[in-house]
Amino acid sequence: DTGVSQDPRHKITKRGQNVTFRCDPISEHNRLYWYRQTLGQGPEFLTYFQNEAQLEKSRLLSDRFSAERPKGSFSTLEIQRTEQGDSAMYLCASSLGWQTNTGELFFGEGSRLTVL
Amino acid sequence: DAKTTQPNSMESNEEEPVHLPCNHSTISGTDYIHWYRQLPSQGPEYVIHGLTSNVNNRMASLAIAEDRKSSTLILHRATLRDAAVYYCILRDRYNTDKLIFGTGTRLQVFP
Repeated sequence: DTGVSQDPRHKITKRGQNVTFRCDPISEHNRLYWYRQTLGQGPEFLTYFQNEAQLEKSRLLSDRFSAERPKGSFSTLEIQRTEQGDSAMYLCASSLGWQTNTGELFFGEGSRLTVL
Repeated sequence: DAKTTQPNSMESNEEEPVHLPCNHSTISGTDYIHWYRQLPSQGPEYVIHGLTSNVNNRMASLAIAEDRKSSTLILHRATLRDAAVYYCILRDRYNTDKLIFGTGTRLQVFP
């Protein structure tokens, strides 16, 4: 399977703990995006990278959240001191940008976080 | 970011055409109209996009109004596998690269 993969698929944690999610994009894709989705809502943009550079961060990305893409390949999203409001599906996507005609984003299946 | 308005839900019978509307009255000249869909328990997937002209691909057709203030995604023959949430998104190719999702239209398909 050469799609976007995310790990872990499910994470249950206690309030106050730190969690980290990993995303492996499609190998030749230079852009990588993180989104958060809660039940009944569309995905909300969090941040995106072009290669290793973090080009944009949403105001939703509080100081407890940090994302990295150190070598321009895989990315991690860490949430420190988790709160119950952080419970959501965290989606990763990658793209080649507009080098393709569509600029299509390819999404992974997400990492579901439950904070107790 | 320019916004889109979609109905919360629509229903269709299998093998019938489905027309999913989207209003985007504040669209700017450099905004492309993208459609993604999200099947249950999956991440969103690209469906189609366009700028001014109508577009067709293997999944769907996109009809864009002449003034570009609205568009319609057309599924020519709905199948049960088309049951999903469909998102209409405006994307400025030259300003920012992110997709901003609304709440979309939940399409139910009945056998």
